[in-house]
Amino acid sequence: ETGVTQSPTHLIKTRGQQVTLRCSSQSGHNTVSWYQQALGQGPQFIFQYYREEENGRGNFPPRFSGLQFPNYSSELNVNALELDDSALYLCASSSNTRGGPADTQYFGPGTRLTVL
Amino acid sequence: AQSVTQLDSQVPVFEEAPVELRCNYSSSVSVYLFWYVQYPNQGLQLLLKYLSGSTLVESINGFEAEFNKSQTSFHLRKPSVHISDTAEYFCAVTRTSYDKVIFGPGTSLSVIP
Repeated sequence: ETGVTQSPTHLIKTRGQQVTLRCSSQSGHNTVSWYQQALGQGPQFIFQYYREEENGRGNFPPRFSGLQFPNYSSELNVNALELDDSALYLCASSSNTRGGPADTQYFGPGTRLTVL
Repeated sequence: AQSVTQLDSQVPVFEEAPVELRCNYSSSVSVYLFWYVQYPNQGLQLLLKYLSGSTLVESINGFEAEFNKSQTSFHLRKPSVHISDTAEYFCAVTRTSYDKVIFGPGTSLSVIP
């Protein structure tokens, strides 16, 4: 069973640029969630995708966007990068059933984004 | 709205000593609770979870946590820590499979030889 993978592992961008981060979910999982983890803090929920549809969003501006593909892999796009966007971006996959109990989220190793 | 509090940002403890990492949550509805561990420069790994049933849950590496609904707590304990337990520990809560997971700020456990 393949775990959650993310690419790239590290990325350096400058202010105003755009970035795309990628996540491959664990086999059999239909849900992907994205989190931002600033240095020394806990992860903050960005949004979640279930079967290719956005299924909830945290307090992040619209320049944070994403999508999920038919194979349940996912992308996180951030436009007009700001210095405060520097963080570890984590993707987590899970297997959910509508109305069912919470399923464990399995996290990838993350992408470290540095904005200069 | 839900929230998670981890009162201890750093916990130093000597090897083979017991440790307790505290977690309190706030929610007006029933929740599911998790502890995740993050080793340096790595993603989060699930340590243990409470979904229902027995309020005492255990992990395979000797950690345990007890769900206390009246005190809204989910403290993590280990009777004897090892150097390899040095890591950041996050308590997390969610309501359903479609709700966001709310993480606490984390507790840095440092095991001293």
